[in-house]
Amino acid sequence: EAGVTQSPTHLIKTRGQQATLRCSPISGHTSVYWYQQALGLGLQFLLWYDEGEERNRGNFPPRFSGRQFPNYSSELNVNALELEDSALYLCASSLYKGASGAEQFFGPGTRLTVL
Amino acid sequence: AQSVTQLDSQVPVFEEAPVELRCNYSSSVSVYLFWYVQYPNQGLQLLLKYLSGSTLVESINGFEAEFNKSQTSFHLRKPSVHISDTAEYFCAVSANQAGTALIFGKGTTLSVSS
Repeated sequence: EAGVTQSPTHLIKTRGQQATLRCSPISGHTSVYWYQQALGLGLQFLLWYDEGEERNRGNFPPRFSGRQFPNYSSELNVNALELEDSALYLCASSLYKGASGAEQFFGPGTRLTVL
Repeated sequence: AQSVTQLDSQVPVFEEAPVELRCNYSSSVSVYLFWYVQYPNQGLQLLLKYLSGSTLVESINGFEAEFNKSQTSFHLRKPSVHISDTAEYFCAVSANQAGTALIFGKGTTLSVSS
């Protein structure tokens, strides 16, 4: 069974540009989560999508947004990039079915560098 | 809201020595608890989890953790570490409800040397 996949592996942008990161969940998983792992700040929750809807978001500005497609894959968009957006962005998926939905499976991440 | 404190940012140990990585959490509701491991330049892998039932949980590679509700702790232990255990370890908590976000600690870097 294929795991969570993310693309691209690395992304280099300049300040003010927009970045688009993509995630494909494990087959059968309906929930997708996005996390930011910035140096010195640890892992922070960004967004949660389930069944195509945004269910929750972390303490990030509105320029961080995304969507979930009918096939449950997801996109994270970061507008007006700032230097401090440089980080590893991790996507995770889960079943969202009672306790069994508590476990989240992570992808390898997209390393975003803003110059 | 939940929060997680990993008490040690770095833990250096020698190969075959025992190790304990400490994790404390706070929450006003029941929680699920997790330990994830991140090897260099890789994503997170689930090491073990506590959802309910037995408070002692084990992983396939010799790690174990014990949920202690009174002390709000979920410390990770291994009786004898290997060089290959060198990695960053994250403790995480979520509310006792599927679909809620994971709240992570800042991580503990375990460095095993010979």
